[in-house]
Amino acid sequence: EADIYQTPRYLVIGTGKKITLECSQTMGHDKMYWYQQDPGMELHLIHYSYGVNSTEKGDLSSESTVSRIRTEHFPLTLESARPSHTSQYLCASSVYPGASGTYEQYFGPGTRLTVT
Amino acid sequence: DAKTTQPNSMESNEEEPVHLPCNHSTISGTDYIHWYRQLPSQGPEYVIHGLTSNVNNRMASLAIAEDRKSSTLILHRATLRDAAVYYCILRDDRDDKIIFGKGTRLHILP
Repeated sequence: EADIYQTPRYLVIGTGKKITLECSQTMGHDKMYWYQQDPGMELHLIHYSYGVNSTEKGDLSSESTVSRIRTEHFPLTLESARPSHTSQYLCASSVYPGASGTYEQYFGPGTRLTVT
Repeated sequence: DAKTTQPNSMESNEEEPVHLPCNHSTISGTDYIHWYRQLPSQGPEYVIHGLTSNVNNRMASLAIAEDRKSSTLILHRATLRDAAVYYCILRDDRDDKIIFGKGTRLHILP
């Protein structure tokens, strides 16, 4: 059972508001990720981090920003929300397990964001 | 990156086995074959992975062709809770990131 949490699960907010989506994991994983997924569509990587003070942009350009001040915490911020930001945002973490020879990713339940 | 090809959707009856195919003709020697699934309104979850040999775990089995150009995820006895989108993904053993495709949407009929 993965211990990765996201809050809020659902958020409806007006245009122009600043929002922060929270993601926390208690597994001590160094690597963390944010994905964006529109309904019925593929997941796209928008941000990732390989440890404290490390952040990189993913394959899909996003107006959001992230920070990694603590290992367990990887929040995503939108300075000024717009209707085009309406989507599901999924957080994940991973660790190299050694014996199985490959990384596994553990996902949170997601935050469904609606910007009106 | 090597790509995978999966059917858009499949249907199966409850309590019957399900075979989900995946083609990956450009797979390289260091690529692992991973399967994840995404249940409705949830984040993806790891199902199984393999390199060359067939693999079994409590969730499923993975059958890998001898030339590694295709693989099949096998759910031995589907339940309604197995209805999900199943993603077949290739990853180098040094690569921590996942590139998701469209996957196969599996419908289970009661």
